[in-house]
Amino acid sequence: SAVISQKPSRDICQRGTSLTIQCQVDSQVTMMFWYRQQPGQSLTLIATANQGSEATYESGFVIDKFPISRPNLTFSTLTVSNMSPEDSSIYLCSVLDRAAGNTIYFGEGSWLTVV
Amino acid sequence: GENVEQHPSTLSVQEGDSAVIKCTYSDSASNYFPWYKQELGKGPQLIIDIRSNVGEKKDQRIAVTLNKTAKHFSLHITETQPEDSAVYFCAASSSGTYKYIFGTGTRLKVLA
Repeated sequence: SAVISQKPSRDICQRGTSLTIQCQVDSQVTMMFWYRQQPGQSLTLIATANQGSEATYESGFVIDKFPISRPNLTFSTLTVSNMSPEDSSIYLCSVLDRAAGNTIYFGEGSWLTVV
Repeated sequence: GENVEQHPSTLSVQEGDSAVIKCTYSDSASNYFPWYKQELGKGPQLIIDIRSNVGEKKDQRIAVTLNKTAKHFSLHITETQPEDSAVYFCAASSSGTYKYIFGTGTRLKVLA
């Protein structure tokens, strides 16, 4: 399966600031996704990161709050803008691995705490 | 849209016993059902999956069953071990979308 690396793995952020999370994959993948997992909760899809075009956001998530870049087939970034304590979550990068039967794999996550 | 319900939310079993986690889904178009295990401080790890053209799949101590008519699928773990302790998530998706709808998770504790 694809190996997914996320940075930072953990951070404490000040209210009102923005943080960019990086996701690097060890092979070219067609589809990359960003999920949010609030403390003790399930996983919610934020957006699909499209290479060469704007990301596709799910209901309840907007580009101004969660801008996403996907400059190539192995890398994506998610920015959490103007953070508030409600943004304290795990942010997970995931990829669709076609070689593995169109299965989705996750990175280890970026644990953000907003104070 | 799709909705996935997962039960129980917590489950404690004695080491060596079996554990069963159940999920139901609402969208009859869903045809792919993966299960993920999430250990503390880590991302979700795929442990087994099943597609709608089969009713059961097994991988060593782990098995998944699917009842398309009733729209439910279950994870079975036999001979549980302390290292099986984690949060387990089911998910459902339909072909072509790759959008997974996740269940609410089950915290499994295996007592030594």
